[in-house]
Amino acid sequence: DSGVTQTPKHLITATGQRVTLRCSPRSGDLSVYWYQQSLDQGLQFLIQYYNGEERAKGNILERFSAQQFPDLHSELNLSSLELGDSALYFCASSADPLPGRTGELFFGEGSRLTVL
Amino acid sequence: DAKTTQPNSMESNEEEPVHLPCNHSTISGTDYIHWYRQLPSQGPEYVIHGLTSNVNNRMASLAIAEDRKSSTLILHRATLRDAAVYYCILRDNNAGNMLTFGGGTRLMVKP
Repeated sequence: DSGVTQTPKHLITATGQRVTLRCSPRSGDLSVYWYQQSLDQGLQFLIQYYNGEERAKGNILERFSAQQFPDLHSELNLSSLELGDSALYFCASSADPLPGRTGELFFGEGSRLTVL
Repeated sequence: DAKTTQPNSMESNEEEPVHLPCNHSTISGTDYIHWYRQLPSQGPEYVIHGLTSNVNNRMASLAIAEDRKSSTLILHRATLRDAAVYYCILRDNNAGNMLTFGGGTRLMVKP
């Protein structure tokens, strides 16, 4: 158990819909990262928040957005869903915004999104 | 981030050592070498990381070449539970906080 909690574990929805994925980081961790893992793209970094502020942005589509709340949990919002958005979405957290020093990101078990 | 090259897959016998190679010929002086693994149906988990010197922890050892252009993750006695995809990642401490995952090596462990 990494201490990172993601909900829901599974989600099935239709094209054009909007969903929200939630992540609770490990107690005390200030950084939250979102990753997308699809069969053909591997693990892709989407976005990072540190203590409520956006810190780094990766290959995140404009239809996707995220935020981190004062209690440090984070939400990833996916809108106008397309078939290609079907993937596993992972959240990770770390205590230090520079994990090269601590070396460790803690990943949740992921939310599996299926778009039909 | 600088690129890493890993074999797509490797096989090992249970209770034997496993050496997982990673080439990173374009590594820069500030890049740390990280290893993560992803067990089936789980999120990635941290294994080990290092900069220049060899590193050991309870999970594995990391051997880093003197020129830092390659490294090897060593599992001293593979178990069935070690079957996973192993990712070798370079992280520039000054270039941001995210980890950039490549294709990794799928390790299969035979009983």
